Amino acid sequence: AQKITQTQPGMFVQEKEAVTLDCTYDTSDPSYGLFWYKQPSSGEMIFLIYQGSYDQQNATEGRYSLNFQKARKSANLVISASQLGDSAMYFCAMRRTGNQFYFGTGTSLTVIP
Amino acid sequence: DVKVTQSSRYLVKRTGEKVFLECVQDMDHENMFWYRQDPGLGLRLIYFSYDVKMKEKGDIPEGYSVSREKKERFSLILESASTNQTSMYLCASKTPTLGGTYNSPLHFGNGTRLTVT
Repeated sequence: AQKITQTQPGMFVQEKEAVTLDCTYDTSDPSYGLFWYKQPSSGEMIFLIYQGSYDQQNATEGRYSLNFQKARKSANLVISASQLGDSAMYFCAMRRTGNQFYFGTGTSLTVIP
Repeated sequence: DVKVTQSSRYLVKRTGEKVFLECVQDMDHENMFWYRQDPGLGLRLIYFSYDVKMKEKGDIPEGYSVSREKKERFSLILESASTNQTSMYLCASKTPTLGGTYNSPLHFGNGTRLTVT
């Protein structure tokens, strides 16, 4: 069963605009963690941001923020003030009990000058 | 900064060959992972290791084995490479988390793009 769903295969955003990348997840565990990774064309996976299931506040890291809606089981990534260097694949991931991480299929973001 | 190094960026092998993909991390992490990445499928876990000489199957272990003789090194072995194993392979490591938290992220290498002809 699909545990992480990213419904946007590709997205475009104008430079300096904000963009939201969608992620929904499926788990009945009370405790879990949600992560977002960026993968530029060079291939390395870069950790961006983390949200714990019990965290009361939405996580923020610089221009990245996570819009966490627990009841809807969604963990959308918001990138503010997009830059050309933000063009990349973005993956949402969930960690449940144990050491397994479950990844979505990714969203390709293109920032247009 | 954590450094995870995969020995090859690109590899081309023939069907039936035994293939070794090597991964080394320099942060004394107990946990190490091998993922396969294919377009439209995201990352799928092949094997992971909690510690030296320990291994667990992931979601797609068939056709693969692993070796973890030293803490810093985790090898993925394709016993007899086949064309459907052409893919990007990503190694990752992380430190175990304590107290029931889940905030320890995976740290990835740059990937090995394997082509089996």
